[in-house]
Amino acid sequence: DAGVTQSPTHLIKTRGQQVTLRCSPKSGHDTVSWYQQALGQGPQFIFQYYEEEERQRGNFPDRFSGHQFPNYSSELNVNALLLGDSALYLCASSLEVTGANVLTFGAGSRLTVL
Amino acid sequence: GQNIDQPTEMTATEGAIVQINCTYQTSGFNGLFWYQQHAGEAPTFLSYNVLDGLEEKGRFSSFLSRSKGYSYLLLKELQMKDSASYLCAAHNFNKFYFGSGTKLNVKP
Repeated sequence: DAGVTQSPTHLIKTRGQQVTLRCSPKSGHDTVSWYQQALGQGPQFIFQYYEEEERQRGNFPDRFSGHQFPNYSSELNVNALLLGDSALYLCASSLEVTGANVLTFGAGSRLTVL
Repeated sequence: GQNIDQPTEMTATEGAIVQINCTYQTSGFNGLFWYQQHAGEAPTFLSYNVLDGLEEKGRFSSFLSRSKGYSYLLLKELQMKDSASYLCAAHNFNKFYFGSGTKLNVKP
């Protein structure tokens, strides 16, 4: 049973560039959330997708956008990259049920902005 | 706003018991989760509490007091492989608010 898969695992960009990160959720999961984890910090919620719609959003600028496809996979796009966007980007999937949802995380995409 | 506090780092000895505390202040609350994260790896789910009290899962237990905005994770019979960061996360509907994590060092 494949867990959450993310690609690419590592990438280097320069300021001002754009990046797209991809995520395939765990089999059977229908909800995808994206988190940014800076070095030595806990994950910070970016947004969540369910039924191909952005359902919730954290305190991130509009430079951060996303998409969910009919097969539940998702993309995170970041435009006009800043040095401060350097971080580990984690995708987490879950199953939409009432009550608390346990997140299953992918191994992350480590983005370095130079 | 949201505020999740946990100690930055702790050290304990193999075979011992360690308690990692977490306090939270959130505008909404559905439950408190604990995740383990080894260096360079994804967080993995350990335990969660929705109601007050203790939840036990093998060597790991988690406690919640909603009225005090307080939780702890108890690790028993520590093993070297327990050296990791432990993340406390408050669940608010579709969002999780994570603390900065407690780095646990287990020494022989």
